[in-house]
Amino acid sequence: ILNVEQSPQSLHVQEGDSTNFTCSFPSSNFYALHWYRWETAKSPEALFVMTLNGDEKKKGRISATLNTKEGYSYLYIKGSQPEDSATYLCALSTNAGKSTFGDGTTLTVKP
Amino acid sequence: DVKVTQSSRYLVKRTGEKVFLECVQDMDHENMFWYRQDPGLGLRLIYFSYDVKMKEKGDIPEGYSVSREKKERFSLILESASTNQTSMYLCASSPSGQGGDSPLHFGNGTRLTVT
Repeated sequence: ILNVEQSPQSLHVQEGDSTNFTCSFPSSNFYALHWYRWETAKSPEALFVMTLNGDEKKKGRISATLNTKEGYSYLYIKGSQPEDSATYLCALSTNAGKSTFGDGTTLTVKP
Repeated sequence: DVKVTQSSRYLVKRTGEKVFLECVQDMDHENMFWYRQDPGLGLRLIYFSYDVKMKEKGDIPEGYSVSREKKERFSLILESASTNQTSMYLCASSPSGQGGDSPLHFGNGTRLTVT
């Protein structure tokens, strides 16, 4: 079983603040690392997938990095908006597509 | 867009009942998964399937079984529901042949309460 840890468990920020959270893993024995966003009453949606050490991905104000040598990935949100409020999930997948998830970081952005 | 549809959004069942949770996807994906989500525990894999009539146990299969008679449909079965199976259940699908870098496409979830 792949081990995935996310921190912090929850985060409250003001609108306009930039924030970041961490996904850490003791072993790099996985094929890809995924970030998902899960808004209340909706289904989780994919944000990024990264496979190589040093990968960086960006979508608007959100970006992510992967460091397989030191065992972590960061998700950054620049200038948080209330619509960014959600639970952010990190998952490691095998080459067959089986994914193991962390417990998630719940972000609340106050207007 | 891929659509993954779960048959019920909310479900209330009694202890000991046999419960069927249905999931249908419309994008011809080979891989289908069932997860449960409990507060503070993240998503945990119950069962998955890479093809029709094929199933594999995930991390927490006890008390569950599955059925995949058609490619588009993956059913989760609680043979005798118990209160500790009260949870949010999420179905997901993904294409095969692209390695593990294909993201999962999720349904909206079924919140099951067993009384």
